[in-house]
Amino acid sequence: DIQLTQSPSFLSASVGDRVTITCRASQTINSDLAWYQRKPGETPKLLIYAASTLLTGVPSRFSGSGSGTEFTLTIGSLQPEDFATYYCQQYNSYPLTFGGGTRVEIK
Amino acid sequence: QVQLVQSGAEVKKPGASVNISCKTSGYDFTSYYIHWVRQAPGQGLEWMGRISPGGGFTTYAQNFQGRITMTRDTSTSTFYMELTSLRSEDTAIYYCARDYRPIGVAYNYLDPWGQGTLVTVSS
Repeated sequence: DIQLTQSPSFLSASVGDRVTITCRASQTINSDLAWYQRKPGETPKLLIYAASTLLTGVPSRFSGSGSGTEFTLTIGSLQPEDFATYYCQQYNSYPLTFGGGTRVEIK
Repeated sequence: QVQLVQSGAEVKKPGASVNISCKTSGYDFTSYYIHWVRQAPGQGLEWMGRISPGGGFTTYAQNFQGRITMTRDTSTSTFYMELTSLRSEDTAIYYCARDYRPIGVAYNYLDPWGQGTLVTVSS
């Protein structure tokens, strides 16, 4: 199985900060990576697929990059509604696997 | 709008089975795979498998082979996931989730998700 390691697992940031989350795969997955946002009490919402393609309606302050084994999710200027847990997920091979999550909290 | 509505919480004894439903609406049922994902307390998201809406073809995670069965009822646009031989480690919230893109375009990234079904396995 492909393991996905997210870092950090927790970060504390202020509104307006630039935030970067990393997701490392245990083997190459090309660009077959998605990012999800999960707010407390809600289900995950897909933000990005194919490593860098934003879903329609996702604010442009979110961006994704990377290929192979190293990927990043960047929030250009953190907004109050962005405080949530973020997960990466690979779909290069079965079983689909998720990273352990990065919780973004208000400083 | 697209909706996935799951059945309610279940409490089961070890060794029992659970069958969770996921009723879909708001889109062409025949065009999207449905996946099942679970999250145990304090744990991450774990993919369990997927099912095609038309032929009911399944792909299961090896971890669940032999204990899991995914089915669908085309007449009611409802999907089902049965897990047998339950043990305490199966206590989790179980989610159904739809492929974001339709069959033939791309697969295996998920949106939207059902609201989740809590399954508690306890003697």
